[in-house]
Amino acid sequence: SQQGEEDPQALSIQEGENATMNCSYKTSINNLQWYRQNSGRGLVHLILIRSNEREKHSGRLRVTLDTSKKSSSLLITASRAADTASYFCATDVWWSEKLVFGKGTKLTVNP
Amino acid sequence: GAVVSQHPSWVICKSGTSVKIECRSLDFQATTMFWYRQFPKQSLMLMATSNEGSKATYEQGVEKDKFLINHASLTLSTLTVTSAHPEDSSFYICSGETRGETQYFGPGTRLLVL
Repeated sequence: SQQGEEDPQALSIQEGENATMNCSYKTSINNLQWYRQNSGRGLVHLILIRSNEREKHSGRLRVTLDTSKKSSSLLITASRAADTASYFCATDVWWSEKLVFGKGTKLTVNP
Repeated sequence: GAVVSQHPSWVICKSGTSVKIECRSLDFQATTMFWYRQFPKQSLMLMATSNEGSKATYEQGVEKDKFLINHASLTLSTLTVTSAHPEDSSFYICSGETRGETQYFGPGTRLLVL
């Protein structure tokens, strides 16, 4: 199975702290993406990192990808209460457009 | 960014009835749309992939006769849950794919079957 696994399953931090979430997957991938889902809502695309990239930044987000370890991390710096959500990684392979989602990390940022 | 809408946002129906959920790409043409299901506190599971003008491709374990998918245009796909039962209660999310690898997701439809 290609399914990703995020850890931790849940993370609770104080506003202003950094939050790091990890994602591991099992097979070779084409791209890895991170999504955010607020409770009971749809998914919001955060960032895409290609298999030949090692790091990518977008605002307060920093994503790394280590294809040798089949893992990725999402770092949110200077967290805000509004960052409270579930975060999912999703992978796809070059021969298919399907996304396979990990189980997600539930992040709570306390004000 | 690309916007996808879903209608309705939530629906309650009686067991045995059919429910239709619409997924629209508002500002782009989605040649491919995807339907996912998400149970509480779980991840999204892909149900089917829908290409405009052709039959949907269903994932293993998803009944094609129960979950009817139509993708008649580049901006609209529908999912009909036929003869719904309480176990079909879930959060259904669609996404549309534009050029490239990014899927844009709708806000989801919460279905409760009584």
